[in-house]
Amino acid sequence: DQQVKQNSPSLSVQEGRISILNCDYTNSMFDYFLWYKKYPAEGPTFLISISSIKDKNEDGRFTVFLNKSAKHLSLHIVPSQPGDSAVYFCAASVDDYKLSFGAGTTVTVRA
Amino acid sequence: NAGVTQTPKFQVLKTGQSMTLQCAQDMNHEYMSWYRQDPGMGLRLIHYSVGAGITDQGEVPNGYNVSRSTTEDFPLRLLSAAPSQTSVYFCASMGGPISYGYTFGSGTRLTVV
Repeated sequence: DQQVKQNSPSLSVQEGRISILNCDYTNSMFDYFLWYKKYPAEGPTFLISISSIKDKNEDGRFTVFLNKSAKHLSLHIVPSQPGDSAVYFCAASVDDYKLSFGAGTTVTVRA
Repeated sequence: NAGVTQTPKFQVLKTGQSMTLQCAQDMNHEYMSWYRQDPGMGLRLIHYSVGAGITDQGEVPNGYNVSRSTTEDFPLRLLSAAPSQTSVYFCASMGGPISYGYTFGSGTRLTVV
């Protein structure tokens, strides 16, 4: 049973607007959450992470929000750019070296 | 360039054949993992290693073996290939801490016919 779920398989957004990607999890023992970005025919690349003791982490255009009571996190990309078109994976860790991944959300940024 | 190198990039196997997917990293990372990516299922952990000589099973280990004789190399062996093992395989390494995430290789696309 998947412990990390990304219920939206795809998202289309206009260039310059905000992209919001959502992720839900079931294991309350997860203590670190990460987002990865993946282009076709390439490996995933690390984007941003957040500890379970925080509720927000920001890095440039990317912000991750964590709501522990709802077991929900989201990734905001502002402003969205054409190069942001990719598959985004949410991942979580309970022991600092094993990651559980969601199924991914494909983001398409329209000009 | 430093990173995680996977070979081969593409492979076609017949059912029952065996093969080894190679993975090497030159960043002196302690942690290494193998994942498979299937449509609609994200990445699933096959095996992982927390250091040379130490390996353990992940979420979907059946049909695969690993060893870690050196810090740099973490090969994945398919013992007797099955069509269900058709997938894209990714190797990843991490020097710690988890907040910096794993570095992934570019993947091996395997088809078993």
